[in-house]
Amino acid sequence: DADVTQTPRNRITKTGKRIMLECSQTKGHDRMYWYRQDPGLGLRLIYYSFDVKDINKGEISDGYSVSRQAQAKFSLSLESAIPNQTALYFCATSAVDLGEQYFGPGTRLTVT
Amino acid sequence: GQQVMQIPQYQHVQEGEDFTTYCNSSTTLSNIQWYKQRPGGHPVFLIQLVKSGEVKKQKRLTFQFGEAKKNSSLHITATQTTDVGTYFCAGTLMFKAAGNKLTFGGGTRVLVKP
Repeated sequence: DADVTQTPRNRITKTGKRIMLECSQTKGHDRMYWYRQDPGLGLRLIYYSFDVKDINKGEISDGYSVSRQAQAKFSLSLESAIPNQTALYFCATSAVDLGEQYFGPGTRLTVT
Repeated sequence: GQQVMQIPQYQHVQEGEDFTTYCNSSTTLSNIQWYKQRPGGHPVFLIQLVKSGEVKKQKRLTFQFGEAKKNSSLHITATQTTDVGTYFCAGTLMFKAAGNKLTFGGGTRVLVKP
């Protein structure tokens, strides 16, 4: 079974709709991250959380919000989706004091 | 702007040949990590370099961290079709007392010609 799971895997939505992407992990890691991947731009950090009560903005947080419901769950919301939020979204986790990040399979989001 | 840059963006390699991809940061990094993303997949951790001038090898892959800790390289010898994918470097910026926040480069997409 995958250690980091994301739902949905694919989603097509219309401009202005609210959408939530969910991430769950069984690795027991405190740190969780949401990234966005666009061609040629690598992965850009949207939000990150070092524990349930700690939420931090990344480099491209505008238009997004997050919720850390439990150690194992970290959700990303688009309050009012717009076409330039069309991208591949990855959730990742890491253990305290270790650099390696473990990525989920990704959610491909298309906003029409 | 993007703090970590990778070149080249694309690399077409003949099977059996060697190639190198480079990663450059505008600021000094605490450490550098490399990830590989197969087509349609997710990034998978390859290695982490921490010390100035550090060199690590994984079979046909050689990773190097620059003396000034502002650049890194990945060299692959005798390229195989299994090397196809996008290679990302990511610099770690230490945050708070511990933990990390990675800044990714744009990636080098490697295509192998059989």
